[in-house]
Amino acid sequence: TQLLEQSPQFLSIQEGENLTVYCNSSSVFSSLQWYRQEPGEGPVLLVTVVTGGEVKKLKRLTFQFGDARKDSSLHITAAQPGDTGLYLCAGTPGTYKYIFGTGTRLKVLA
Amino acid sequence: GAGVSQSPSNKVTEKGKDVELRCDPISGHTALYWYRQSLGQGLEFLIYFQGNSAPDKSGLPSDRFSAERTGGSVSTLTIQRTQQEDSAVYLCASSLGGGSIEAFFGQGTRLTVV
Repeated sequence: TQLLEQSPQFLSIQEGENLTVYCNSSSVFSSLQWYRQEPGEGPVLLVTVVTGGEVKKLKRLTFQFGDARKDSSLHITAAQPGDTGLYLCAGTPGTYKYIFGTGTRLKVLA
Repeated sequence: GAGVSQSPSNKVTEKGKDVELRCDPISGHTALYWYRQSLGQGLEFLIYFQGNSAPDKSGLPSDRFSAERTGGSVSTLTIQRTQQEDSAVYLCASSLGGGSIEAFFGQGTRLTVV
């Protein structure tokens, strides 16, 4: 069974702080996605990474795919209350199936 | 449509009743997925459709669960003889094809079995 472990599970920080969320697996993925989900809504795709070592930036969010394509990280600079939500990583081990991580619930306090 | 649409948004049903959940994917998307999410946790894969075929049903938790897709578009997930442990948010997603790496989700159906 392929598992994606996310850490931390919960994170509560003050506005303006930086944070990093990790997504780890013992399996190799052909691609990895990060989603953010708000209460009562479905997950919204933030980014897809496909190449080992790839780094993508989306405003204050920086995503990195591990060299071996087994892990990924999401770094948020100067967090804002609007960043609050459930962050999910999802890996595609093959051609169609998405394996989701355990989730990181982030709360940014004003 | 512009996005993945699911109905109903909320469903409360009595234990033992059957329920049908509907998903209308993004127009032109041939791949469709059903996931289940409990208590704001990660998503549990249920079933994958490519067109009208379901090559992977491995995530369906029991034979009370079934799904179909017609016309390569709308899909329904049916749960028979619902149990309290079936209470969860059921999410549908679609993508351009089985090889596409980006899936787009609907808002989900919150099912409560009382």
